[in-house]
Amino acid sequence: EAQVTQNPRYLITVTGKKLTVTCSQNMNHEYMSWYRQDPGLGLRQIYYSMNVEVTDKGDVPEGYKVSRKEKRNFPLILESPSPNQTSLYFCASSSPGQPYEQYFGPGTRLTVT
Amino acid sequence: DAKTTQPNSMESNEEEPVHLPCNHSTISGTDYIHWYRQLPSQGPEYVIHGLTSNVNNRMASLAIAEDRKSSTLILHRATLRDAAVYYCILRDLNNNDMRFGAGTRLTVKP
Repeated sequence: EAQVTQNPRYLITVTGKKLTVTCSQNMNHEYMSWYRQDPGLGLRQIYYSMNVEVTDKGDVPEGYKVSRKEKRNFPLILESPSPNQTSLYFCASSSPGQPYEQYFGPGTRLTVT
Repeated sequence: DAKTTQPNSMESNEEEPVHLPCNHSTISGTDYIHWYRQLPSQGPEYVIHGLTSNVNNRMASLAIAEDRKSSTLILHRATLRDAAVYYCILRDLNNNDMRFGAGTRLTVKP
């Protein structure tokens, strides 16, 4: 089954404790991206990647890092999480042949205390 | 970046058609119009997209104004499962970036 998976689905952590949210897709998509969703603000793009070793900032990249060493994986790294990064995070992917159709993961709900 | 404007919320009765409007007065010639929806507790999912002509698929229809400054997503017969937040998004044909706004929350009443 074609899908985007994220782990963990839920995470509660403390300020300053480094964490990584993994994202993996099995559709051989070149394009992957991370979004955060906050009440009243819709989805905002954090980082995106056009292909392996190619990443770029989205609208709200501060406090986040990403890497794209393999086509299927696109982890989101929070080196020193802060409470304002408490949010619902979505990973998405798409192919160059169908850029209009992004496939989204199920989301990761992160709480930073 | 070109922006979209949608009503915050709309209501519909089950089995009736729903017309969800979107204004995008600053759309450029290379912007595609996309619609996604987000069901409760799920990630967004693709609904439909178009450039200039009206489009139909199994989920919905997309009606695009002749000047392309507005569009309407049409659900022909709303079901309770169509209750979701619907996002109208513009995407430049030269890149994959999508800017989601706040969307329209559709409530479907039985």
